[in-house]
Amino acid sequence: GAGVSQSPRYKVAKRGQDVALRCDPISGHVSLFWYQQALGQGPEFLTYFQNEAQLDKSGLPSDRFFAERPEGSVSTLKIQRTQQEDSAVYLCASSSDVDYGYTFGSGTRLTVV
Amino acid sequence: TQLLEQSPQFLSIQEGENLTVYCNSSSVFSSLQWYRQEPGEGPVLLVTVVTGGEVKKLKRLTFQFGDARKDSSLHITAAQPGDTGLYLCADLPAMKTSYDKVIFGPGTSLSVIP
Repeated sequence: GAGVSQSPRYKVAKRGQDVALRCDPISGHVSLFWYQQALGQGPEFLTYFQNEAQLDKSGLPSDRFFAERPEGSVSTLKIQRTQQEDSAVYLCASSSDVDYGYTFGSGTRLTVV
Repeated sequence: TQLLEQSPQFLSIQEGENLTVYCNSSSVFSSLQWYRQEPGEGPVLLVTVVTGGEVKKLKRLTFQFGDARKDSSLHITAAQPGDTGLYLCADLPAMKTSYDKVIFGPGTSLSVIP
């Protein structure tokens, strides 16, 4: 597609519920990144994929967070047993292999109640 | 670990005024990027600066990179309501591969009042 698409745009989860957030990157973009952005803060790195390989997951805050990109295109960020501190905007970005520009999606705003 | 600071944290000005926001790093930037993030949207890249002392202009926006490559400023002339948003500076690490984990500052939230 023309841009990075994320769904859902908004998600309200009860504490303890599992959630799955989807990212559809720009077609052909090799690199895919997930960031977490708390209210009023800059984005914080979570994880990086090159094609289907997860090369860096150092930013995932706990083992409740899991990301996958099985076919090297669409990616899913899963959060198990959500906690209130997981409330944030989750941003996905993709990048081609030959330039360094990131294109971000509009994000998913997760609210855990 | 590199720490990025931005100031001011919040800025509210009248349409037509000029403003400057600042970004400072605890270590030398590899390449510095400025993004603007509008409410409900993802960040959009405005500019990348690489060389110390470099100045780039984008319409009413002027970006300056410090000589020591540890600080930067963004100056907006005659601000308009459409300039409202969160301005983020970021460091693009040195490895020139597609795996360049961008590290973001906390941002300056700008509100331009009509």
